[in-house]
Amino acid sequence: QVQLVQSGAEVKKPGASVKVSCATSGYTFATYGVTWVRQAPGQGLEWLGWISTYSDDTKYAQKLQDRVTLTIDASTSTAHMELRSLRSDDTAVYYCARGGEGAGLDYWGQGTLLTVSS
Amino acid sequence: DIVLTQSPDSLAVSLGERATINCKSSQTLLYSSNKKNYLAWYQQKPGQPPKLLMYWASIRESGVPDRFSGSGSGTDFTLTISSLQAEDVAFYHCHQYYNSPQTFGQGTRLEIK
Repeated sequence: QVQLVQSGAEVKKPGASVKVSCATSGYTFATYGVTWVRQAPGQGLEWLGWISTYSDDTKYAQKLQDRVTLTIDASTSTAHMELRSLRSDDTAVYYCARGGEGAGLDYWGQGTLLTVSS
Repeated sequence: DIVLTQSPDSLAVSLGERATINCKSSQTLLYSSNKKNYLAWYQQKPGQPPKLLMYWASIRESGVPDRFSGSGSGTDFTLTISSLQAEDVAFYHCHQYYNSPQTFGQGTRLEIK
């Protein structure tokens, strides 16, 4: 069955960086892109970006594009999201999801809680 | 950026009654070449990731009960639950994948009256 399993919760200080991983299984990795979404406490969903698993294409939310980098490791069918220069308002649950470029998001990771606090 | 505005923000419906959630887009989500609306709906329960309910505005994802339906085209869309069940209590989000940056509506909380 299709699974997206994310790395564990992180606590970081302001100004630090974090890298969240999303290990996929149960399907051909290169068939679907991976989208990253976050949800601040009590808030709605915020799209962060999308990365192709079959080309060099990536797309980022403009407000984060100078601080976020999406990468993939095709050898392990894993996607990564790195966020730098962390601020308190980056505190949120971060999700990876399958699909997104011209498609809905049909499978989601369990979420990774990032807490940014001094 | 395309702005999606959901209404209402919160909704309380009696068990067995109809629930209707609206999503209005600031730009058309209908792609003229394939006549598809690039809109999805998700259900999210506390402590869980969102679950895909509908895509292409009106196509039910596999396994989703048929009491859920989606309608609309262009800029105005609706998610309808024909007969509310207790397990439908959740937040509901619309999502446009017409272009980047993709965006979500602010969410609608659905409760039992």
